Amino acid sequence: GIQVEQSPPDLILQEGANSTLRCNFSDSVNNLQWFHQNPWGQLINLFYIPSGTKQNGRLSATTVATERYSLLYISSSQTTDSGVYFCAVNTFYDKVIFGPGTSLSVIP
Amino acid sequence: DVKVTQSSRYLVKRTGEKVFLECVQDMDHENMFWYRQDPGLGLRLIYFSYDVKMKEKGDIPEGYSVSREKKERFSLILESASTNQTSMYLCASSFTGTGTYEQYFGPGTRLTVT
Repeated sequence: GIQVEQSPPDLILQEGANSTLRCNFSDSVNNLQWFHQNPWGQLINLFYIPSGTKQNGRLSATTVATERYSLLYISSSQTTDSGVYFCAVNTFYDKVIFGPGTSLSVIP
Repeated sequence: DVKVTQSSRYLVKRTGEKVFLECVQDMDHENMFWYRQDPGLGLRLIYFSYDVKMKEKGDIPEGYSVSREKKERFSLILESASTNQTSMYLCASSFTGTGTYEQYFGPGTRLTVT
């Protein structure tokens, strides 16, 4: 099956700093999502981005499907950005595979 | 906005009890999923359903069953709860029609079995 890797596994940032999270996947996929799991455990949809670039406020994401990776950019980080960021992929009619996550801590 | 709700945020049950976790979505999604999340093990798929009264086993179905009598509701049943079923349970739904399969999650239920 498809393997999903995320890097870095852990990240500590000073408030206001920028960061880039990476997701690598081992095979072609039709769908890719980025989620943020907040400290209360809820998974929040950030981006649905099987290819191309999208932006939403301070967050943006780019997926290069031909090279099998996706990047999530967080600019001007805030303490509320803390939590775990997951990348999830699947092909049509197949189950979703989640990466192991990147744990982000933003300190004031 | 898609809304997925789960019946409880926190639940404490005793070993051997029958436990029902309910999930409701309001966007007419065909597909619904139950995951559990444990430290160091990530999200693991328990069961999923792609239509009313249909169910498919995921990666770890042992000790669980599911029910989907209505399109908007997907229930996870622990027939006889055990301590190793203490976990965070997450429900999700997705829409097949556009082919995106974009998943939306509920707030989760933290289940403790004592």
